[in-house]
Amino acid sequence: EDQVTQSPEALRLQEGESSSLNCSYTVSGLRGLFWYRQDPGKGPEFLFTLYSAGEEKEKERLKATLTKKESFLHITAPKPEDSATYLCAVQKASSNTGKLIFGQGTTLQVKP
Amino acid sequence: DAGVTQSPTHLIKTRGQQVTLRCSPKSGHDTVSWYQQALGQGPQFIFQYYEEEERQRGNFPDRFSGHQFPNYSSELNVNALLLGDSALYLCASSSFSVNYGYTFGSGTRLTVV
Repeated sequence: EDQVTQSPEALRLQEGESSSLNCSYTVSGLRGLFWYRQDPGKGPEFLFTLYSAGEEKEKERLKATLTKKESFLHITAPKPEDSATYLCAVQKASSNTGKLIFGQGTTLQVKP
Repeated sequence: DAGVTQSPTHLIKTRGQQVTLRCSPKSGHDTVSWYQQALGQGPQFIFQYYEEEERQRGNFPDRFSGHQFPNYSSELNVNALLLGDSALYLCASSSFSVNYGYTFGSGTRLTVV
């Protein structure tokens, strides 16, 4: 069964304390892995797409990496404004519609 | 450049009633997908519309139906509402020829009482 699991469910960091979020996936053929940021009561905001193992992408304090079984979202020296829920989603290679399969998310709180 | 627009933003309905949610895709996008997000969970795929046809459907009952109009906008209809239908309903648009790069709207918060 296709599955996406994120850990931890919740993470509390002090401002400047770097950490990583994990996204493990089991799908039969991966077309792409997506990271989104979601603020309370809002829709997901696109961050990154990764397509092949070994690929890395960066945006400000965020860096996403991909292996054959999991992806990491590294947060370097986070600030309070980085507080949000981070969602991971996969798209199967066999999908002709682009359906995304989401994990349950990691809620990050960064304290000043 | 307007992104994905959803209406209404909030809605309260009584169990057994019917509801219609609306979505206007991002300019240049021709495909609309609908997702249901329960509190504390990730979004779950309901269905996708392209060329006014339902292309794929997730694990949702027939009470959930949709429509896409010639201008690419879309509606999600839910009949015989249950308390468990309370959720944030998200619309995502994309370009069928590209098939990735989804833009999400801010969602409609549906509460069933």
